[in-house]
Amino acid sequence: GESVGLHLPTLSVQEGDNSIINCAYSNSASDYFIWYKQESGKGPQFIIDIRSNMDKRQGQRVTVLLNKTVKHLSLQIAATQPGDSAVYFCAEIPSSYKLIFGSGTRLLVRP
Amino acid sequence: DGGITQSPKYLFRKEGQNVTLSCEQNLNHDAMYWYRQDPGQGLRLIYYSQIVNDFQKGDIAEGYSVSREKKESFPLTVTSAQKNPTAFYLCASSRDGWSEQYFGPGTRLTVT
Repeated sequence: GESVGLHLPTLSVQEGDNSIINCAYSNSASDYFIWYKQESGKGPQFIIDIRSNMDKRQGQRVTVLLNKTVKHLSLQIAATQPGDSAVYFCAEIPSSYKLIFGSGTRLLVRP
Repeated sequence: DGGITQSPKYLFRKEGQNVTLSCEQNLNHDAMYWYRQDPGQGLRLIYYSQIVNDFQKGDIAEGYSVSREKKESFPLTVTSAQKNPTAFYLCASSRDGWSEQYFGPGTRLTVT
């Protein structure tokens, strides 16, 4: 079946640097995408979302970019902090009540 | 303080026993979901409910059952027919089928 996948399973960055987490999706019918953050032993936490009529959306220290031409999503975290260490999932909604998650990228922040 | 609660946080059961996981939300969301997460993996959909008294099978419904008698509650029963029940179970809710899903803290079930 169609799925959302990630290029890098683990990303290690220095505290204070910017982080970029990438995601490829395969369902061209999807028009809504979400990034979630999951800390160990906890449920996923909504970070930011973007709809297909946009190519960029900014939040607090986070930016999501959407490239529909190559079916690619990225999450940029500015000035990465130790509290940003977690697993990040991208997810797409290709049809109602259907949220497809990628396998996740672990972000490690070095002090 | 709105949100989704799941209880208990940790649950231990012997093989062959049915077990029910609780999920409650006070967000007034119509839709609720159950996911299973295995170590180092993404989330897989077990069941979802669009509205009270309605529910649909997800991708891995075998060995599980649900009910939706109240809008705020969506309990999941892991039956003895589920071959590998040990996992982290996550409940979520959303305003409708096209909105972001909000997750509970999860229940870690261990069956021995």
